[in-house]
Amino acid sequence: AQKVTQAQTEISVVEKEDVTLDCVYETRDTTYYLFWYKQPPSGELVFLIRRNSFDEQNEISGRYSWNFQKSTSSFNFTITASQVVDSAVYFCALSERTGKLIFGQGTTLQVKP
Amino acid sequence: DSGVTQTPKHLITATGQRVTLRCSPRSGDLSVYWYQQSLDQGLQFLIQYYNGEERAKGNILERFSAQQFPDLHSELNLSSLELGDSALYFCASSVGVLGQGTYNSPLHFGNGTRLTVT
Repeated sequence: AQKVTQAQTEISVVEKEDVTLDCVYETRDTTYYLFWYKQPPSGELVFLIRRNSFDEQNEISGRYSWNFQKSTSSFNFTITASQVVDSAVYFCALSERTGKLIFGQGTTLQVKP
Repeated sequence: DSGVTQTPKHLITATGQRVTLRCSPRSGDLSVYWYQQSLDQGLQFLIQYYNGEERAKGNILERFSAQQFPDLHSELNLSSLELGDSALYFCASSVGVLGQGTYNSPLHFGNGTRLTVT
């Protein structure tokens, strides 16, 4: 069965610290896609990134970076120089062939000033 | 703005009642998904429609039903409501091309409908 595990329930850091959110997934598919979403306190779910299973290159977007390692079935997300506005719940997700996403339980990130 | 519209934003109702949640997908998106987010269950997939037809079903209760109309908007009907049905209900849409593997399309979520059952 497909599964996504975000072992870190809550993380608290001080502004400007770097923080890494872990995501481990299970799937029997050889082709699959992984996603990260952000849910700020206002409640909406914001798409951050999509990565396919054939592309193991790390990706960087501003202060955000993603490390995909197929060998360990991990897709970790790092925020560099965190800011208070980064405070949110972050979800890692795995897609199924129908398109539906299977979400991890989420990691609540609190960035303190 | 994701382009996905959900109404109403908030809904307060009593146990035993029935409510309908509405979702308009992004222009051009054929797939609609419904998710339930409660504090103890996280984001749970309920059901998916593609171009009017049911495509996948998750842990959706028999008291719940959904449909997607010819204009692609979708409704989620919740009946015989219980206290435990209180949650945030999200609708999402994606392009989704049937037969070609839809699983590369990001889902774009609406702002959700917060349902409170008292």
